[in-house]
Amino acid sequence: AQSVSQHNHHVILSEAASLELGCNYSYGGTVNLFWYVQYPGQHLQLLLKYFSGDPLVKGIKGFEAEFIKSKFSFNLRKPSVQWSDTAEYFCAVKTNSGYSTLTFGKGTMLLVSP
Amino acid sequence: GAGVSQSPRYKVAKRGQDVALRCDPISGHVSLFWYQQALGQGPEFLTYFQNEAQLDKSGLPSDRFFAERPEGSVSTLKIQRTQQEDSAVYLCASSALQGSTDTQYFGPGTRLTVL
Repeated sequence: AQSVSQHNHHVILSEAASLELGCNYSYGGTVNLFWYVQYPGQHLQLLLKYFSGDPLVKGIKGFEAEFIKSKFSFNLRKPSVQWSDTAEYFCAVKTNSGYSTLTFGKGTMLLVSP
Repeated sequence: GAGVSQSPRYKVAKRGQDVALRCDPISGHVSLFWYQQALGQGPEFLTYFQNEAQLDKSGLPSDRFFAERPEGSVSTLKIQRTQQEDSAVYLCASSALQGSTDTQYFGPGTRLTVL
């Protein structure tokens, strides 16, 4: 079975700092990869996704993620964070077989101070 | 519809009570998923429906958990004889199709607290 590991449970940054959140997965086959975000008091929203093709994926609000197959990684990046990026970020993986369900990491809580 | 909706948003139950959690998926979505999110954890899969058929219930933690989607739209997750360890946020998600590349859209969740 697949699993997802997120490196940091909590990250604190100042506005304009650069962000990189680590995500590694374990699964030997083809995967689809996702980053979801949960803003305070809101539901999970899709930030970006990778299915195939260009391993550098751009999402909403200036976020991007790079799929590195050899490292089983899908790290999330943003060059300059804003206070409004304060949220919890979840990495998730689906195996490329039929309907398959999402397997989530434990999440990283990002706090951006103004 | 505008999105996935869930009700109630909050539920407090005494240990031993039965509860029913409702999910209204996006209209026309074929696939429906239930997840359980414990405090400080990511969501964990409970069960999956394709239309009215429950194709996977491997994540249900015990036989006290039961889910249905009789007409292929609204779904109900029922927990019988609730225990304190059932306290969690229960998330529902739907997707338009059934393929692995399809995006799941999540509802706001129901926060269940068992006293």
